[in-house]
Amino acid sequence: NAGVTQTPKFQVLKTGQSMTLQCAQDMNHEYMSWYRQDPGMGLRLIHYSVGAGITDQGEVPNGYNVSRSTTEDFPLRLLSAAPSQTSVYFCASSRLQRPDTEAFFGQGTRLTVV
Amino acid sequence: QQQVKQSPQSLIVQKGGISIINCAYENTAFDYFPWYQQFPGKGPALLIAIRPDVSEKKEGRFTISFNKSAKQFSLHIMDSQPGDSATYFCAAPVRSNQFYFGTGTSLTVIP
Repeated sequence: NAGVTQTPKFQVLKTGQSMTLQCAQDMNHEYMSWYRQDPGMGLRLIHYSVGAGITDQGEVPNGYNVSRSTTEDFPLRLLSAAPSQTSVYFCASSRLQRPDTEAFFGQGTRLTVV
Repeated sequence: QQQVKQSPQSLIVQKGGISIINCAYENTAFDYFPWYQQFPGKGPALLIAIRPDVSEKKEGRFTISFNKSAKQFSLHIMDSQPGDSATYFCAAPVRSNQFYFGTGTSLTVIP
């Protein structure tokens, strides 16, 4: 039972480079989301999706793009990395249309932008 | 825009003691308040959650207390163990499936 799988676990980028953080879930969850975790800031929502072909912005979307072509995958793209994007990124999935739904998180990607 | 205020930021407790973490929220779409536990190098995982039909929920050594009028809820860990050392996040719903998370509390339980 894989749950939510994120790759890579660690990444170092130079300022201005682009990259894609991968996220895949095998629980057939409709809802998927990306968070960033920074010291003293908790978890902040970047983008989310309620199903294939549907995405929307969260609290801190600037500098990031997402797409959802399948139920299973929800990649996060950094268009032009900046040091302010140094963070730990978490992907999460959950069942839709349940107010008391449980979010399942991946193990995270630690990104450093130099 | 801090929708959920969590305190304390860090907490050190002796083994066997009680750990208490508090959260206050401003607005919420509905009454469902989960707590997530995160170990170093791992993603957060649901620990316990409360719905509005009760003011307290207990699961083993973990208890959530909820005060709707004060817009506050808290996590109590009884008989704290070194294995409970982790970061704890409270959350309040913005809408279905979407939550504001607190800033986290780093708990250290000393043997």
